[in-house]
Amino acid sequence: AQSVTQLDSQVPVFEEAPVELRCNYSSSVSVYLFWYVQYPNQGLQLLLKYLSGSTLVKGINGFEAEFNKSQTSFHLRKPSVHISDTAEYFCAVSGYNQGGKLIFGQGTELSVKP
Amino acid sequence: GAGVSQSPRYKVTKRGQDVALRCDPISGHVSLYWYRQALGQGPEFLTYFNYEAQQDKSGLPNDRFSAERPEGSISTLTIQRTEQRDSAMYRCASSLYGRRGPPEQYFGPGTRLTVT
Repeated sequence: AQSVTQLDSQVPVFEEAPVELRCNYSSSVSVYLFWYVQYPNQGLQLLLKYLSGSTLVKGINGFEAEFNKSQTSFHLRKPSVHISDTAEYFCAVSGYNQGGKLIFGQGTELSVKP
Repeated sequence: GAGVSQSPRYKVTKRGQDVALRCDPISGHVSLYWYRQALGQGPEFLTYFNYEAQQDKSGLPNDRFSAERPEGSISTLTIQRTEQRDSAMYRCASSLYGRRGPPEQYFGPGTRLTVT
C-alpha cells in the first residue's frame, strides 16, 4: 500500500518569489511519482512525472521536482512564481504493476500575491 | 480533440435515491479510472477498467457503489440508496495503455454530487 503526505496545506507567496511544495510518500513497493495542478473550477492537469532515470524532472510552466529515494520525497519547486500559478497542487504516487491507479496527497493550496 | 467529459456536471439528490454518473473518455483510450474527491481532500481512487474489464475495484467504499464499462468506452458509476456521506466530486480519468510505466491520465471536469 502507498500513502502520500503533503506537508503544507496552504502556501502563500509573493509574485516572483521562489516556492517549494513538499511531498513525502511511503510505499512497500517501488513507485512512480506525479504532480498534478487543479485550477479553480477545472479538472486536474499533469505538471510532471518521475518514472525512472534522472532524479530531477522538469514539467510545464517552469516547475521542476526532485526525487529523493532515501528521504522518500518528491518536492516541487519553481524559482519565480506568477499570479497565474495560484491553484491547488496534488502530489501522487502509483505503485509498480498496479495498473496506474493514483494515490493522492491532501493537496497544497498555492496562493500568489502581487 | 475532445477531452474527457462527464455528465451531469452537478447532481442534487435526496437520501435513498439511486444516481448514475457518466464518463465519456478520450477516444481510443484503453484505461478508465474513477476517483472521488471530498472537499479539501485529494482525489481517492475508486476503481479502474482496461477496455471493458474491471481490473481493480478495491477503492469502492461498499456494495452500494458499482461501475461498468460494457463496450470499453463510456463508463457509468452507480450509487444505490445514496447517503449524505456520498456527497463529493466524482472524477473520471482516461489514459492510453502504458507499456513502460503508467501513461498520463487525463481528467474530466467532474460531477459534483450533493445528497440532501
